[in-house]
Amino acid sequence: GQSLEQPSEVTAVEGAIVQINCTYQTSGFYGLSWYQQHDGGAPTFLSYNALDGLEETGRFSSFLSRSDSYGYLLLQELQMKDSASYFCAVRDRRGKLIFGQGTELSVKP
Amino acid sequence: EAGVAQSPRYKIIEKRQSVAFWCNPISGHATLYWYQQILGQGPKLLIQFQNNGVVDDSQLPKDRFSAERLKGVDSTLKIQPAKLEDSAVYLCASSSRQGVEKEAFFGQGTRLTVV
Repeated sequence: GQSLEQPSEVTAVEGAIVQINCTYQTSGFYGLSWYQQHDGGAPTFLSYNALDGLEETGRFSSFLSRSDSYGYLLLQELQMKDSASYFCAVRDRRGKLIFGQGTELSVKP
Repeated sequence: EAGVAQSPRYKIIEKRQSVAFWCNPISGHATLYWYQQILGQGPKLLIQFQNNGVVDDSQLPKDRFSAERLKGVDSTLKIQPAKLEDSAVYLCASSSRQGVEKEAFFGQGTRLTVV
């Protein structure tokens, strides 16, 4: 089966940098995705890593180490609108997408 | 391009009643997922379709839940009979190619309350 672990909550201030870690156990690993979900909203895709290394998309970056079964999402120049839940999700070769329990990020002024 | 459409947005039913949810994925998307999201938790995969075939339904409580995707487009998820613990948001998502497309697109979900 699959399991993912991520911190339940993180607090940071506007303008700061925050890192959300994710460790996973899965068979047939293909890639690690990150999704953002605001209260009452749908999850939206942020980033994806299939290979080791860093992927950068604007203020958001994601990192993967396949050998360590570990990844993280890095959010820079935090804004109030970044307050949301962030989920890591593993994808297998058949496209199966399994989510972690989520990290609630609170950005303070 | 139109997004993933789901209906209804909200549903309140009594326990032991039946309920059905409908999903229309993005046009041309072969892969369709149904997730259950309980408040404060991550989305739990219930079933994954590739066109009109089931890829994975290992987490679907088959004694009460059923899903179909006739003609490989629209999908319905049914619960019969509902229990209190089924209260959750039911999310439908689609992606274009099995195992290749990196992004899944989610609908707004159906919020189910079982009383």
